[in-house]
Amino acid sequence: DAEITQSPRHKITETGRQVTLACHQTWNHNNMFWYRQDLGHGLRLIHYSYGVQDTNKGEVSDGYSVSRSNTEDLPLTLESAASSQTSVYFCASSQSGAKVDTQYFGPGTRLTVL
Amino acid sequence: GNSVTQMEGPVTLSEEAFLTINCTYTATGYPSLFWYVQYPGEGLQLLLKATKADDKGSNKGFEATYRKETTSFHLEKGSVQVSDSAVYFCALGRGSQGNLIFGKGTKLSVKP
Repeated sequence: DAEITQSPRHKITETGRQVTLACHQTWNHNNMFWYRQDLGHGLRLIHYSYGVQDTNKGEVSDGYSVSRSNTEDLPLTLESAASSQTSVYFCASSQSGAKVDTQYFGPGTRLTVL
Repeated sequence: GNSVTQMEGPVTLSEEAFLTINCTYTATGYPSLFWYVQYPGEGLQLLLKATKADDKGSNKGFEATYRKETTSFHLEKGSVQVSDSAVYFCALGRGSQGNLIFGKGTKLSVKP
């Protein structure tokens, strides 16, 4: 069965360190997304990609970067982790087409920055 | 701009009660509308969707009707169960863009 996985599921790091969160999907979807979920803010879009070599900034992209070298993976990098980046991070993917399609979500990564 | 507004929670109901979670949207054109559900400790999963006006999405006893005249997509269920306890998100997507715009979520707790 096709799926979308995230790793690690939990991560504790220190302020100033670089952190990379992995996202891998086997749906063969063109579109991939990264969100963060915080109490009172719901889901906020960080970065997204519509295909290989394509990346775009979302609503809260400062301090984050992504790269898309193949269809299956969209790693999210925190260049220099800050306490404000403590959050739960979700990756999602969807098929591109004439109308926006269902997004399929991974299980999430809980990141704590001390 | 495009936006989604959901009723604030938390919502606490007794088992077998009727559920309504309100969702209204602002968007130009004809967006697609979605309800997602997030169970504790998990990612979001699609509950139901509607892609054009007057469409009714339904799944697991939940229903929502796309009302363009009131720009609404309210979620309803006739008889909730304890297992329906979760956070519910309304979302919209426009045109061929892959992005979804999410509401802030409504937490539902169902007591036995």
